Amino acid sequence: GQQVMQIPQYQHVQEGEDFTTYCNSSTTLSNIQWYKQRPGGHPVFLIQLVKSGEVKKQKRLTFQFGEAKKNSSLHITATQTTDVGTYFCAASKAAGNKLTFGGGTRVLVKP
Amino acid sequence: DSGVTQTPKHLITATGQRVTLRCSPRSGDLSVYWYQQSLDQGLQFLIQYYNGEERAKGNILERFSAQQFPDLHSELNLSSLELGDSALYFCASSVVGRTDTQYFGPGTRLTVL
Repeated sequence: GQQVMQIPQYQHVQEGEDFTTYCNSSTTLSNIQWYKQRPGGHPVFLIQLVKSGEVKKQKRLTFQFGEAKKNSSLHITATQTTDVGTYFCAASKAAGNKLTFGGGTRVLVKP
Repeated sequence: DSGVTQTPKHLITATGQRVTLRCSPRSGDLSVYWYQQSLDQGLQFLIQYYNGEERAKGNILERFSAQQFPDLHSELNLSSLELGDSALYFCASSVVGRTDTQYFGPGTRLTVL
């Protein structure tokens, strides 16, 4: 079945620093979605990327879809304690196909 | 608040028992998805229903079953429970299709003793 790999699995970040988490697939994807799950909470939709090379920003978060549509990244600048949580990517191979979630990157912020 | 409701919030039961988890999707959403999340793990897709019919199946055990009713709420039935079934069970809903944005409910935490 379709595999979506996220790295790293854990990310310890000093408050104020930047970090990037990656989502990779061996097959070409139709679209990628990113979700955030706060500790004790439920996944919340952040953004969807559809076009090759697409870049979208949400305040300190920058999302990118690779040119080959096989990978995506989430870059967070000036990390804050509110960024703590698990970030999941979810991808589908074609429109109408089921969404497959990656294993998530668990982000811990050191004050 | 996502608009998706799940009951109960917590459930504690014994091995061998059967439980039913309930989900009400957002108003207007036709698709319902069920996921299992074990401690500090990712989201394991179990099953999807669309407008009352099963649309996709994931890693759902034979001991588990689900259905979506005419009013679009869904129930996940877990039977012959084992210790390893202890997990958070999330329901999500989307407007129509499989690649739509999914809105997750708060989850039901199941503990099997």
